[in-house]
Amino acid sequence: DAGVIQSPRHEVTEMGQEVTLRCKPISGHNSLFWYRQTMMRGLELLIYFNNNVPIDDSGMPEDRFSAKMPNASFSTLKIQPSEPRDSAVYFCASSLRPDLSYEQYFGPGTRLTVT
Amino acid sequence: AQKITQTQPGMFVQEKEAVTLDCTYDTSDQSYGLFWYKQPSSGEMIFLIYQGSYDEQNATEGRYSLNFQKARKSANLVISASQLGDSAMYFCAMRETGSARQLTFGSGTQLTVLP
Repeated sequence: DAGVIQSPRHEVTEMGQEVTLRCKPISGHNSLFWYRQTMMRGLELLIYFNNNVPIDDSGMPEDRFSAKMPNASFSTLKIQPSEPRDSAVYFCASSLRPDLSYEQYFGPGTRLTVT
Repeated sequence: AQKITQTQPGMFVQEKEAVTLDCTYDTSDQSYGLFWYKQPSSGEMIFLIYQGSYDEQNATEGRYSLNFQKARKSANLVISASQLGDSAMYFCAMRETGSARQLTFGSGTQLTVLP
C-alpha cells in the first residue's frame, strides 16, 4: 500500500508568491494532519481534518495560510503571499482514526524555501 | 510548560550496544498515547513504537522497546543491538484525550551510532 504522498518535494519561491502544497493520504485513513518543522520551533501542528472536515486550525500561523480537503484522498495547504519566515519542511500525515492509539503516518515532506 | 521533554540533544553509542533515549511528559489526562518516531537525514518521519497510558506491559517492536514509568511520567526508548542505520533524530510524541488528536513532539535526540 502506498504511503502518504506529498508534492512537490522541494519548492523554492520568491517572497509574495503563492505556494500550494499537496497531500494524498493513505487510502482509508479518516484523519489528516499538516505539520511544519523548523529548527527554531520543532514540529508543530498547523491543522487537522477528520472525515474531510477541518477540526482544529488553531495552529495556522495567520490568514496567509489556508488548507482544504475537498475529498478523502486529497488535501492542499496554501500560503498566499509567502514570506521568508515560512521557509520550513511541511509534513502531511494521516491516521486511520483519530483515536489515541492510532499512529500517524507521515509523508516525505515538502521543503519550502522562500527567498 | 513543555509537554514533552527530551533532555539529550545528542547521544553516541557503539555499534551493537544498547542505548536509551529519555523522554518525560506532562499531562493531566488519564488516557493518552506515547509515540516514538525516527527521522533519518533523508527527512521522513518513521513511526517506531506506541505505548498507551493504560497498557500494563512495556511496548516492544523488534529491537525497540519502551521503558514506561507512568508514576514518573517517563517513556524512554531503548534500542538494542544498535546498527549504523539507527543514526537519526528520534522524537518522542504524545497524544492526549483533550487535544485535537494532534501529536505534540519533543525537541528530539540526535543519535549517532559509531562503528
